[in-house]
Amino acid sequence: KQEVTQIPAALSVPEGENLVLNCSFTDSAIYNLQWFRQDPGKGLTSLLLIQSSQREQTSGRLNASLDKSSGRSTLYIAASQPGDSATYLCPGRSSGDKLTFGTGTRLAVRP
Amino acid sequence: DTEVTQTPKHLVMGMTNKKSLKCEQHMGHRAMYWYKQKAKKPPELMFVYSYEKLSINESVPSRFSPECPNSSLLNLHLHALQPEDSALYLCASSPQGGNQPQHFGDGTRLSIL
Repeated sequence: KQEVTQIPAALSVPEGENLVLNCSFTDSAIYNLQWFRQDPGKGLTSLLLIQSSQREQTSGRLNASLDKSSGRSTLYIAASQPGDSATYLCPGRSSGDKLTFGTGTRLAVRP
Repeated sequence: DTEVTQTPKHLVMGMTNKKSLKCEQHMGHRAMYWYKQKAKKPPELMFVYSYEKLSINESVPSRFSPECPNSSLLNLHLHALQPEDSALYLCASSPQGGNQPQHFGDGTRLSIL
C-alpha cells in the first residue's frame, strides 16, 4: 500500500525566499508523478508532471525532481511570492488509477 | 480556468433529499474520477470510471451512486446522506486512466443539514 509523507507540514516564509518541499513514498514504483497546489476551498491545480522516464521537470520558478531509487521527490520554488501561498500535494499511486495523497505542505508567503 | 467543470459549486441539502453532482470534460478523456475531501484532509478516491464502465469503487456507501452516461459526463447521485458526508467533492479526468496525469475540477462544496 502506497503511503506519502510530506515535509514540512507547514511553512511560513517572507517573500523572495527560495523553498524546498519534500515528498517520500513507501512504494518507490512511481510513475508519472504530479505536483499539485490547492488554494483554500478550491480544486487541485496541476503544477508539474514528471514522467516515468524523466528525473526532473521545470516550469517557470518551479523545479521538481524525482529519485525513484529512494522514493523521494522535491519541489523547489525560487523567489517565492505571496501568490504561491497554498497547500502543495504530491500524490503517489497505489495502483495505476489510484492517487494516494499525503497531508500536504501548507505554505504561507508573507509580503 | 479549469477544463473539468463541476456543478453546482455549492449545495446544501437535508438528510432526506435526493440531489446530483455533475462533472463535465471536453478533452476527450476516457477515465473519470470522484474524490471526497474533508476539511483540512487530503482528497480520497471514491470511484473510477474507465471507458464509461465503473472500474474502482473504494467501498463507498450505497447512498452515493455514480453514473457515467457518456465519456464526457460523470454524475454522482446523492440520497439519504449523513452530516459526516459534508465535504468538498472533486471530479478529475485523465486521457486513458492508468498512470496518466489527472486533471481536476474546482469541486462542489456539499453541506448536509
